[in-house]
Amino acid sequence: NAGVTQTPKFQVLKTGQSMTLQCAQDMNHEYMSWYRQDPGMGLRLIHYSVGAGITDQGEVPNGYNVSRSTTEDFPLRLLSAAPSQTSVYFCASTSGNSPLHFGNGTRLTVT
Amino acid sequence: QQQVKQSPQSLIVQKGGISIINCAYENTAFDYFPWYQQFPGKGPALLIAIRPDVSEKKEGRFTISFNKSAKQFSLHIMDSQPGDSATYFCAASSGYSSASKIIFGSGTRLSIRP
Repeated sequence: NAGVTQTPKFQVLKTGQSMTLQCAQDMNHEYMSWYRQDPGMGLRLIHYSVGAGITDQGEVPNGYNVSRSTTEDFPLRLLSAAPSQTSVYFCASTSGNSPLHFGNGTRLTVT
Repeated sequence: QQQVKQSPQSLIVQKGGISIINCAYENTAFDYFPWYQQFPGKGPALLIAIRPDVSEKKEGRFTISFNKSAKQFSLHIMDSQPGDSATYFCAASSGYSSASKIIFGSGTRLSIRP
């Protein structure tokens, strides 16, 4: 099993550019989420989804959009990148009482 | 506001020593307390977890101690090894279901010196 796959692994954007971070899982998990990891801040929840067609905001949703058209995919969109969005982004999934399964992250730099 | 406070931010321990990481929480509705381990370039992975109906849980060299009245819990790594060098996150959530929002601590970077 591939588990949770995130692409790309690295990305550099200029301020104002847009992009989509991809996340796919092959475990048929209904719950998927996006976190950002910043030094000294831990992991902060951006958006999450409890199933296809259902999304909700987490702790730091501003500047990010998500959609969940299929069980497998949960892309994160940055509409107009800002330097404050420089971070490492993690996608995670789970189902039932299993723990969160994380991808290996996307390191994003906004200049 | 930070609902789960973790300390220390970084920790250096000699090989064979005991590593101790502490966390405190505020929300008394939290009833699931996992610890995640993260190696460089990888995502976090569940290490061990506890529920508040027990005061201690041990898995190999890793032990969680839980103090419900003080709203504190800690991770102890016995006989610490260089392979334990990683970043550790404590976390908390209310409810064990997949829809629960897990709140993470700020992380502790642990280095084990040979």
